[in-house]
Amino acid sequence: GESVGLHLPTLSVQEGDNSIINCAYSNSASDYFIWYKQESGKGPQFIIDIRSNMDKRQGQRVTVLLNKTVKHLSLQIAATQPGDSAVYFCAGWGLSNTGNQFYFGTGTSLTVIP
Amino acid sequence: DAEITQSPRHKITETGRQVTLACHQTWNHNNMFWYRQDLGHGLRLIHYSYGVQDTNKGEVSDGYSVSRSNTEDLPLTLESAASSQTSVYFCASSEDRSTFGPGTRLTVT
Repeated sequence: GESVGLHLPTLSVQEGDNSIINCAYSNSASDYFIWYKQESGKGPQFIIDIRSNMDKRQGQRVTVLLNKTVKHLSLQIAATQPGDSAVYFCAGWGLSNTGNQFYFGTGTSLTVIP
Repeated sequence: DAEITQSPRHKITETGRQVTLACHQTWNHNNMFWYRQDLGHGLRLIHYSYGVQDTNKGEVSDGYSVSRSNTEDLPLTLESAASSQTSVYFCASSEDRSTFGPGTRLTVT
C-alpha cells in the first residue's frame, strides 16, 4: 500500500542548532504535504504545508523542502528551542483504494538539549 | 474562536460493550476524519465524511461505525469493544489542512 515514512525515529539537537527531519513518500500522485507537530498528550498541530508545484516553502523558523524526483520532503527548524521538543509527522494527500486521504508517517521524536 | 473538541478525553470500558466517542467542530468544515494512533503505526484512518449523510470507510474500519447528521458532529461508535481497540483516537476536520482534536484515550479491559 501507499506509505509515508520517516528516516530517523529520534533526533536530539542542542538548543540553537538547526534541525532537519526527513520524510519519504511512495505515492507519486501525492500533490499536497503537511508537517505536523505533536506534543505529549495533545493532538497533532499544523506547522507548514507545501503543494507539489513548489519545491520550497518557508514559515517562521521552519522551511519545508520537496524533492518530487526522489519523493522526499524535509522539515528544517532554525535555531531550535526547547519548546520545539515534540514528535513531528509528515502527511501526504493521495489516492488509495478507500479514496483520497492523508497518509501519515510514524513520526520523529525531536529532543532539544538546553 | 473556532475549535474541534472530543469527549470523553479518557474512557475505560469492558470488552463487548458499545462505546461512542464524540467529535464536535465549529470550523464549519465539510470534511471530518477519525484516526487511531498506536505506537509504531502513526495515524491510521478509521472513517471519514465529506459532508452531511456521507460516510466512508478508511483502512482500519472493522468494528467501527460513524454517522453524519449535521456538519458539526461525527460520532465514532465501537459496536462491541475489543482489547485491540485500546488506542488514542483523534478526530480531525478540514477543508485542505486537517485540524485535529485533543484526542480520546480509550482502554478496553
